[in-house]
Amino acid sequence: EVQLVQSGAEVKKPGESLKISCKGSGYSFTSYWIGWVRQMPGKGLEWMGIIYPGDSDTRYSPSFQGQVTISADKSISTAYLQWSSLKASDTAMYYCVRRSYYYYMDVWGKGTTVTVSS
Amino acid sequence: EIVLTQSPGTLSLSPGERATLSCRASQSVSSSYLAWYQQKPGQAPRLLIYGASSRATGIPDRFSGSGSGTDFTLTISRLEPEDFAVYYCQQYGSSPSFGGGTKVEIK
Repeated sequence: EVQLVQSGAEVKKPGESLKISCKGSGYSFTSYWIGWVRQMPGKGLEWMGIIYPGDSDTRYSPSFQGQVTISADKSISTAYLQWSSLKASDTAMYYCVRRSYYYYMDVWGKGTTVTVSS
Repeated sequence: EIVLTQSPGTLSLSPGERATLSCRASQSVSSSYLAWYQQKPGQAPRLLIYGASSRATGIPDRFSGSGSGTDFTLTISRLEPEDFAVYYCQQYGSSPSFGGGTKVEIK
């Protein structure tokens, strides 16, 4: 079964750093792009960026460029989303998604809740 | 960046009725790279439609997608109780983006 398993919920303070993960299984991890999607409380979906684990080619949405870093470790089939200095406005649910060969997002992780509060 | 506008924001219907959801793009969506997702409370979104009109695996045939260029539609022919949810369109070209969503609620 193709799965994306995300790391657990996080509670952090403003200014702290954070790295959340997304582990792929049941398919060739290096052959599919992995994207990240933000959903702020009670709001819609926002595209953040995408990485190709095969060569770490990464593309960011203009809204998120410089705000987060997307990376991957193909040796353990895991993609990451990280922040160097969290803000309260980073409080959201974050989903990782697999991009199919035909470019639509066919598999979604269950999401990681990030809460940033002093 | 392509901006997707979904309408209406909320659709109040009864089970058995037909739902018609609209997604309009600020510029033409290449190769009909348009998908629809369903999201229920507390769950991740689920792919319903890709390529504007192709149903994803396991999606009932009461869901159908149509359109091209800048105007796309998701139709649910007869609403079942489990269909009440929020629906998002997404264009998945070189710089993907989502619409703001349409909530289908029970009237």
